[in-house]
Amino acid sequence: SQQGEEDPQALSIQEGENATMNCSYKTSINNLQWYRQNSGRGLVHLILIRSNEREKHSGRLRVTLDTSKKSSSLLITASRAADTASYFCATDVIENAGGTSYGKLTFGQGTILTVHP
Amino acid sequence: EAGVTQFPSHSVIEKGQTVTLRCDPISGHDNLYWYRRVMGKEIKFLLHFVKESKQDESGMPNNRFLAERTGGTYSTLKVQPAELEDSGVYFCANRPGKEVKNIQYFGAGTRLSVL
Repeated sequence: SQQGEEDPQALSIQEGENATMNCSYKTSINNLQWYRQNSGRGLVHLILIRSNEREKHSGRLRVTLDTSKKSSSLLITASRAADTASYFCATDVIENAGGTSYGKLTFGQGTILTVHP
Repeated sequence: EAGVTQFPSHSVIEKGQTVTLRCDPISGHDNLYWYRRVMGKEIKFLLHFVKESKQDESGMPNNRFLAERTGGTYSTLKVQPAELEDSGVYFCANRPGKEVKNIQYFGAGTRLSVL
């Protein structure tokens, strides 16, 4: 599987429901981020979780990170039609023994979320 | 503050032609990245500039791709000659030089179609 692989590839829910997306990765990381892309637009940063954190919240977003399983999940609560977009996890890979990351992000294929009004 | 701007938004060219994509970064953001998403696949890193210097170009597919960042300002990515498999969306991203968190600001991308 690819670094930063996500599932499901597509998720369709009703407004008000919760949406959960998962991401797996392979290498050691400094942090993991989630980005959103609306159709025809650039990626927008949503939330970042460091490798020494297990859970983080931001508004209706909740991210978990399990470094032992090399996986993360993004939960969007009380979804809205405006949440319809593609969601990507991105890992910031450690590139040398000194723990340095030069900022190269490794993305998954993304989850297409559709929220029906 | 203006965001990351990419030109053109869409380019359609014939196989064998040359195309130049441009990225105007956020002012003062030393780090500039190019990424590419081929249809149905993940977004992949191409290269990274720190100001005008190439920090990492390990993701460049082959020597048909040439990236420049003159004076550490805007960047161009030239594909010459273009092949069918070069089709995809090319994203430019920036981040400030001294920020510890690697949060990147993306442009809307250039959709390249090679026919």
